[in-house]
Amino acid sequence: QSVLTQPPSVSGAPGQRVTISCTGSSSNIGAGYDVHWYQQLPGTAPKLLMYLNNNRPSGVPDRFSGSKSGTSASLAISGLQAEDEADYYCQSYDISLSDWVFGGGTMLTVL
Amino acid sequence: QVQLQESGPGLLKPSETLSLTCTVSGGSINNYYWSWIRQPPGKGLEWIGYIYYSGSTKYNPSLKSRVTISVDTSKNQFSLKLSSVTAADTAVYYCAKQVTTRVPNWFDPWGQGTLVTVSS
Repeated sequence: QSVLTQPPSVSGAPGQRVTISCTGSSSNIGAGYDVHWYQQLPGTAPKLLMYLNNNRPSGVPDRFSGSKSGTSASLAISGLQAEDEADYYCQSYDISLSDWVFGGGTMLTVL
Repeated sequence: QVQLQESGPGLLKPSETLSLTCTVSGGSINNYYWSWIRQPPGKGLEWIGYIYYSGSTKYNPSLKSRVTISVDTSKNQFSLKLSSVTAADTAVYYCAKQVTTRVPNWFDPWGQGTLVTVSS
């Protein structure tokens, strides 16, 4: 059971928009800690996709956007492409656990 | 551009000690935080701990009794030791730079990962 809750899977057709939620609590996201997102393509290491809630590293397309509100955060992907098919993980800090925590991951399928 | 590469044995027996090294290239290990993260097969990510270049450490409370992370700045390397391993420690182990704002924050970049299997 992950401290940050993500849907196990989402799917969408090419060109569509999908969102992936990351639900935390008052000891992590709700305490004001920032949320970061990673993309893990099959058989590869995670790669930073979004940092400090809504900042894209250089090279990440602007089709990817992030937001945070209250005890939750979301990653939105617009204009879905086949190459976006991957696992996506959110990450934050939990003050109660004194631990950097990840969501359980969401598998994105492009139909 | 900083790159990280994990190295170490891929197969251990129960009760042995896991030892991995992460070599940092393309930049200095100084002035940064460096973490170990693991991912059991088919499962999610778990932060293991970090070390600052000066040697200060912080560990996941659930693993703290078995984990030691050390740094060798002369070799631009940091290392992980996990004692008394069991099958539950079978995972891909990643090293990563933990980027700091006011506090250690997100992980970037990551090494490619190394699979460690614990089996008798």
